[in-house]
Amino acid sequence: EAEVAQSPRYKITEKSQAVAFWCDPISGHATLYWYRQILGQGPELLVQFQDESVVDDSQLPKDRFSAERLKGVDSTLKIQPAELGDSAMYLCASSYSGTSPYEQYFGPGTRLTVT
Amino acid sequence: DQQVKQNSPSLSVQEGRISILNCDYTNSMFDYFLWYKKYPAEGPTFLISISSIKDKNEDGRFTVLNKSAKHLSLHIVPSQPGDSAVYFCAASLDRGSTLGRLYFGRGTQLTVWP
Repeated sequence: EAEVAQSPRYKITEKSQAVAFWCDPISGHATLYWYRQILGQGPELLVQFQDESVVDDSQLPKDRFSAERLKGVDSTLKIQPAELGDSAMYLCASSYSGTSPYEQYFGPGTRLTVT
Repeated sequence: DQQVKQNSPSLSVQEGRISILNCDYTNSMFDYFLWYKKYPAEGPTFLISISSIKDKNEDGRFTVLNKSAKHLSLHIVPSQPGDSAVYFCAASLDRGSTLGRLYFGRGTQLTVWP
């Protein structure tokens, strides 16, 4: 069964350092999402791509976060500089398209700890 | 502002009994609702969904009900120990460029004991 791949699975970094996460969606899925899940809360959308274009980055802290999906396939999320409050699980999800039934397939996530 | 609310952080149920997980939402524009299950160290996996115009959807042991205003529930019958996980309620808006964006609740930790 096809899966969303993410790496690394775990990342520990010091504050003010740069960190990057990678996601490879299910083949053929045009829509890709990055979510952040803080402990005890539900996932919150950071950025949504349709192919290589950003369609929603309203919740992305653009002063330190950036995301790209250059060829409309895999994607990278970057944080620079990292802050203590960025410690969270970063989840990538993909869907066949942005249309109903909105079913998204999630990767295993990257657990980020900022010290 | 939390638009999807799961007010019970945890639920404990005996094996074989019914588990009922509740979800409330504030945005009347939501048109689709989904439930996801999450095991530790894994990403959420899709469980079941329902359109806002339907009042029930069943899939095996799982049923989602949408019969009350701005409230839905997930029923698991019978509950099994393998159902122990965090269950997230999510909602989606059917409009514009944010099509498909999901709004999640905080989740309910379900524990099914033998």
